[in-house]
Amino acid sequence: AQSVTQLGSHVSVSEGALVLLRCNYSSSVPPYLFWYVQYPNQGLQLLLKYTSAATLVKGINGFEAEFKKSETSFHLTKPSAHMSDAAEYFCAVPPPHSGNTPLVFGKGTRLSVIA
Amino acid sequence: NAGVTQTPKFQVLKTGQSMTLQCAQDMNHNSMYWYRQDPGMGLRLIYYSASEGTTDKGEVPNGYNVSRLNKREFSLRLESAAPSQTSVYFCASRGHGTTNEKLFFGSGTQLSVL
Repeated sequence: AQSVTQLGSHVSVSEGALVLLRCNYSSSVPPYLFWYVQYPNQGLQLLLKYTSAATLVKGINGFEAEFKKSETSFHLTKPSAHMSDAAEYFCAVPPPHSGNTPLVFGKGTRLSVIA
Repeated sequence: NAGVTQTPKFQVLKTGQSMTLQCAQDMNHNSMYWYRQDPGMGLRLIYYSASEGTTDKGEVPNGYNVSRLNKREFSLRLESAAPSQTSVYFCASRGHGTTNEKLFFGSGTQLSVL
């Protein structure tokens, strides 16, 4: 079954530093990959989506992610962290036979930004 | 533009008590979902409903029941609450013909079972 693994349950960076949140998918190449963000006391929101059209995907709030087939990875980056980026981030992949079954989410990575 | 509305936002129960979590969406979406979120476990699917009148089990259905009352509403019931059901519960919905990423989430219900 398709799955994603997020390395690091908690990442802490200084304000202005590079943000790197890691996500690896299981061996079969998925048609889509997603990053969702959850701000404190809120539900999840779509941050960005990968399709086969482009390996580098730009999302909201300055985030981007690069699909690397050779590394089975879809890591999320932002050049300069802002305090407002503190949130939990989830990588997600559609199940093999999508239909009405929902996305499969990773366990999440909590990002803390230190002033 | 309410989107997905969950009630209540917070609830404390004693072991063995029952309660129903309510979810309603005003986007005319066909599919609705219930997730629970626990530290280190991410989001786990409890039940989902592909359309009015249908429900299916997800990854962790034990101890829960659901009702798709109509197209708008999808409720989650705990018949006899257990401390293991302490969690944050999220309802989500998706429109017909839209792809998987277009999930809309409610703001969650924080449930504590003592």
